[in-house]
Amino acid sequence: EVQLLESGGGLVQPGGSLRLSCAASGFTFSSYAMSWVRQAPGKGLEWVSTFSISGDRTYYADSVKGRFTIFRDISKNTLYLQINSLGADDTALYYCAKVYTSSWYGPLDYWGRGTLVTVSS
Amino acid sequence: SYELTQPPSVSVSPGQTASITCSGDTLGDQYASWYQQKPGQSPVLVIYQDRKRPSGIPERFSGSNSGNTATLTISETQAMDEADYYCQAWDSRTVVFGGGTKLTVL
Repeated sequence: EVQLLESGGGLVQPGGSLRLSCAASGFTFSSYAMSWVRQAPGKGLEWVSTFSISGDRTYYADSVKGRFTIFRDISKNTLYLQINSLGADDTALYYCAKVYTSSWYGPLDYWGRGTLVTVSS
Repeated sequence: SYELTQPPSVSVSPGQTASITCSGDTLGDQYASWYQQKPGQSPVLVIYQDRKRPSGIPERFSGSNSGNTATLTISETQAMDEADYYCQAWDSRTVVFGGGTKLTVL
C-alpha cells in the first residue's frame, strides 16, 4: 500500500524557514517523480514543485522560485521541501504527491494528508 | 502564465448527469486530469490522460478533452459525489490547477 506521510509544518514568523519532509513507502521511490502541492485555507490547489525521476531536474512555481528547494534522499525514501523567506501568502496545507506517469507533469495518483504551515508574527 | 478556468459551482439532482468544464488555451492539445476533494480530505485522482479512470474510480466518472475545453462528466450522480473538483494540466515548466468547482447534489 502506497503511503505518503508529511511532517515538519508549524508556526513560523515572517521571513523564517522550515523544512518539510515526506516519508514514502509502498512503492519504488526512486522510480517516480514527486511533487509538492499546497492549499491555502479555504482556497484551491496550487502546484509548488516537482522533483524528476532521474533526480537531475527540479521544477518550481514562479511564486516560490528562489525561496523553496525540493530534494530527496533515496536511502531514506524521503522527499523534502526547504522553504525560506516565508510570507503570509505561504500559509497553507502542504501536500506531498506521487506522479503517476513517467512525465514530470503527469497526474498525481497518491497524496499524503498534508502538513500545515502557518506564517504569522 | 497559463490559466485553467472552471465554473465556481455546479448543481445537480441525484441520479442526473453533472458536467464540469475546464477551459484553457489549446487545452485539447495536451492531457488533462481531474481530482475530487471532499471537505477535510486529500484530493483523489478521478480522471487522467483526458478519459482514463484509476483503479477504484466508478465508471460513472468520465472525461473528454477537445479544443480549449476539458469536461468531467458524472453520470447518475450520487450524494457521495458532492465535493470540490479540480482540473490539472501543464504549460512549459509549470503544472497548473484550475480554480476548482464545488459540485452540489441537491
